[in-house]
Amino acid sequence: GAGVSQTPSNKVTEKGKYVELRCDPISGHTALYWYRQSLGQGPEFLIYFQGTGAADDSGLPNDRFFAVRPEGSVSTLKIQRTERGDSAVYLCASSRTSGGGHNEQFFGPGTRLTVL
Amino acid sequence: EDQVTQSPEALRLQEGESSSLNCSYTVSGLRGLFWYRQDPGKGPEFLFTLYSAGEEKEKERLKATLTKKESFLHITAPKPEDSATYLCAVLRQGYGQNFVFGPGTRLSVLP
Repeated sequence: GAGVSQTPSNKVTEKGKYVELRCDPISGHTALYWYRQSLGQGPEFLIYFQGTGAADDSGLPNDRFFAVRPEGSVSTLKIQRTERGDSAVYLCASSRTSGGGHNEQFFGPGTRLTVL
Repeated sequence: EDQVTQSPEALRLQEGESSSLNCSYTVSGLRGLFWYRQDPGKGPEFLFTLYSAGEEKEKERLKATLTKKESFLHITAPKPEDSATYLCAVLRQGYGQNFVFGPGTRLSVLP
């Protein structure tokens, strides 16, 4: 079956612009996660959805970052007024459920964001 | 402050030379420790979940173990295709699904 997909694979933008990054999770997975990964570092948690609602957005660095999952499937990470420090690989992951020990996350290939 | 560290930062092995990677954690309450493998340009791929001290999991040439302060990923007779970055992550009590990842160990296995 299809895995987690993310589009675009690469995004180059200019400082101050708005960007949207899309994640298509595995069908039937109720939990969806966004991470940011800088070179040589592990993924950094940004936000977690259970269904349509953001259950934990404590990792979003500031109010320029926002994410939605309106129908409980596809999710979009939105970044306003991008800054050079936002440059990183943005990873999306999904899992069947959020609890009961079933925390195995399936990751997408990521979107590499470069802010010039 | 909760922290996850991994050592070594990088490891170079000859094919067949067994070794271990370390993941040390200081968290208020561990709910689970996860190991992932990440190839260049790809997202992490799940390997193991460990929940309590003394637990062990095996998969092919990999074996993960857990104590109250650290986890080890043992690699027996590695092959070049085992070359990747190995990441560990923890789930903490009281923090829902907020995973904390370590920085990873870059493993290179030379033929």
